[in-house]
Amino acid sequence: IAGITQAPTSQILAAGRRMTLRCTQDMRHNAMYWYRQDLGLGLRLIHYSNTAGTTGKGEVPDGYSVSRANTDDFPLTLASAVPSQTSVYFCASSDSVSGTDTQYFGPGTRLTVL
Amino acid sequence: GESVGLHLPTLSVQEGDNSIINCAYSNSASDYFIWYKQESGKGPQFIIDIRSNMDKRQGQRVTVLLNKTVKHLSLQIAATQPGDSAVYFCAENISKAAGNKLTFGGGTRVLVKP
Repeated sequence: IAGITQAPTSQILAAGRRMTLRCTQDMRHNAMYWYRQDLGLGLRLIHYSNTAGTTGKGEVPDGYSVSRANTDDFPLTLASAVPSQTSVYFCASSDSVSGTDTQYFGPGTRLTVL
Repeated sequence: GESVGLHLPTLSVQEGDNSIINCAYSNSASDYFIWYKQESGKGPQFIIDIRSNMDKRQGQRVTVLLNKTVKHLSLQIAATQPGDSAVYFCAENISKAAGNKLTFGGGTRVLVKP
């Protein structure tokens, strides 16, 4: 079934550790995004990539980095995790080339930083 | 699953009744709007979208209304069913030229009573 997969499903991480959240889509969408979702808040954009080889900062990029080596994969890295990064992380993709702006979301990764 | 938000506005609806969920947006330059549904423990799921050159769009059991004069968006769900219980988010896209970056509202929880 075509769509977006994220790994891991959940993770408990000690503060100061490095962590990479994985995201893969098989829809050949050119654009991909990372959001975080916190209790009582909507989704906030961390980083995005309009096409392979390019990335950009969203609303809350500090403490996170991304790479886009190919169309399908868009990993999000926390270089040194802090408790305020405890959140649910969603990856999304969209096919902007076709003129469709709709973003499709993965199932999320629940991250707890202690 | 993860609780999306403990203090979200909540709409309680009797099964079979119609639901209306409202959303105010802030940027008059927004030209594309989407409604998402998020069930507990899952990622947001696309429901319906509308562009700023329209004021109404209908889908299966759902209708989105856009009032650009007062910057207001609404989602109407006809004959609400138990499966409609979820958190609903509106999202706006400021400018395609600036990248397809959605800004999300805080969400409304819909509870369907049998």
